[in-house]
Amino acid sequence: EPEVTQTPSHQVTQMGQEVILRCVPISNHLYFYWYRQILGQKVEFLVSFYNNEISEKSEIFDDQFSVERPDGSNFTLKIRSTKLEDSAMYFCASSGLAGSSYEQYFGPGTRLTVT
Amino acid sequence: RKEVEQDPGPFNVPEGATVAFNCTYSNSASQSFFWYRQDCRKEPKLLMSVYSSGNEDGRFTAQLNRASQYISLLIRDSKLSDSATYLCAVNMVTGGFKTIFGAGTRLFVKA
Repeated sequence: EPEVTQTPSHQVTQMGQEVILRCVPISNHLYFYWYRQILGQKVEFLVSFYNNEISEKSEIFDDQFSVERPDGSNFTLKIRSTKLEDSAMYFCASSGLAGSSYEQYFGPGTRLTVT
Repeated sequence: RKEVEQDPGPFNVPEGATVAFNCTYSNSASQSFFWYRQDCRKEPKLLMSVYSSGNEDGRFTAQLNRASQYISLLIRDSKLSDSATYLCAVNMVTGGFKTIFGAGTRLFVKA
């Protein structure tokens, strides 16, 4: 069964450093998403991406964040100048078009720890 | 008012019980609705989509009431393996599209 993959599974970085989180969505999907989940809190929408551009972003997704689909398979989230409060689990998801239901399938996540 | 609200938990039920989760949403731009299951420190896994006509998958039944802006999930004959956090999710199209998750309801099924 096709699945979304994410690397690395755990990233430790120092405050102020830049990190790139990588995702390989399901191959025939067209819509891509990033979410974050701070430990013990809800899953929060960051950004959606379609047709090589951002479709929607939340207020969390400020200038510190950027997304890119550098080739036909990868989808990346870059966080510049990381802060302690960026420590969270970051999930990538993808969806195809299934009667416009946008059923999303999640990757296993990258746990980001900022020290 | 939060965009997506769920019943506060946790729910503690014995095996074999029927348990119902509720979720309300506030944004009329909401277009599609889902229930996800999340195990501790794992990713959300899609459980089922929710339609106005209702949707049933084995022991799980989901319902949508657009007029009341309310969705529900019913689990019959609970199993120990149903213990998890249940998240409702609402897709909205507001120019672009975004998905808002509820905070989740924790379910503990006990022998």
